[in-house]
Amino acid sequence: GEDVEQSLFLSVREGDSSVINCTYTDSSSTYLYWYKQEPGAGLQLLTYIFSNMDMKQDQRLTVLLNKKDKHLSLRIADTQTGDSAIYFCAEGRGGGNKLTFGTGTQLKVEL
Amino acid sequence: KAGVTQTPRYLIKTRGQQVTLSCSPISGHRSVSWYQQTPGQGLQFLFEYFSETQRNKGNFPGRFSGRQFSNSRSEMNVSTLELGDSALYLCASSLGDGNSPLHFGNGTRLTVT
Repeated sequence: GEDVEQSLFLSVREGDSSVINCTYTDSSSTYLYWYKQEPGAGLQLLTYIFSNMDMKQDQRLTVLLNKKDKHLSLRIADTQTGDSAIYFCAEGRGGGNKLTFGTGTQLKVEL
Repeated sequence: KAGVTQTPRYLIKTRGQQVTLSCSPISGHRSVSWYQQTPGQGLQFLFEYFSETQRNKGNFPGRFSGRQFSNSRSEMNVSTLELGDSALYLCASSLGDGNSPLHFGNGTRLTVT
């Protein structure tokens, strides 16, 4: 199958770290992506990782990939209220642009 | 560099009508993909066009079609609209070389009454 699973909700306090998890089933995935969606908006590309990498860091964002367990995580350091949104992980295979998306995790940042 | 532009932003149509959505990719991007987002089904892939040819297709009925022009702009058409076609339709563009990420537009919100 090609399911991508995420937990639906995550609530954190401002300034804490957030960790959003994702599991996928297709071992032939080439790229794994994280997108952010704010209300009424499209998808904003946050970061992506090639399947032969274990980790990628970009400012406050850290992506960890465990290929053995088909587990992907996104860590947001020093979470701010502006980070409140829905976060989608997605997997892509080969050279095409057919991505399979997870259900999305709604991140709520509380003061 | 301008991002992916989708028009119109909102559309209201009646069952049985047809609709055309437009997408202008990021300059230099040759691949355009379309996705449908609904609360029940989430984000689902419709199709991808590269150099005016459909390169990949999702599991949607033939009422959903698309095309791409020589300047890489793309249109998506839905005929004989059904209530269940109400959704946010997202367009994404990329270089299409297999190593480049997809960049999405803000979508067209279609409501079918």
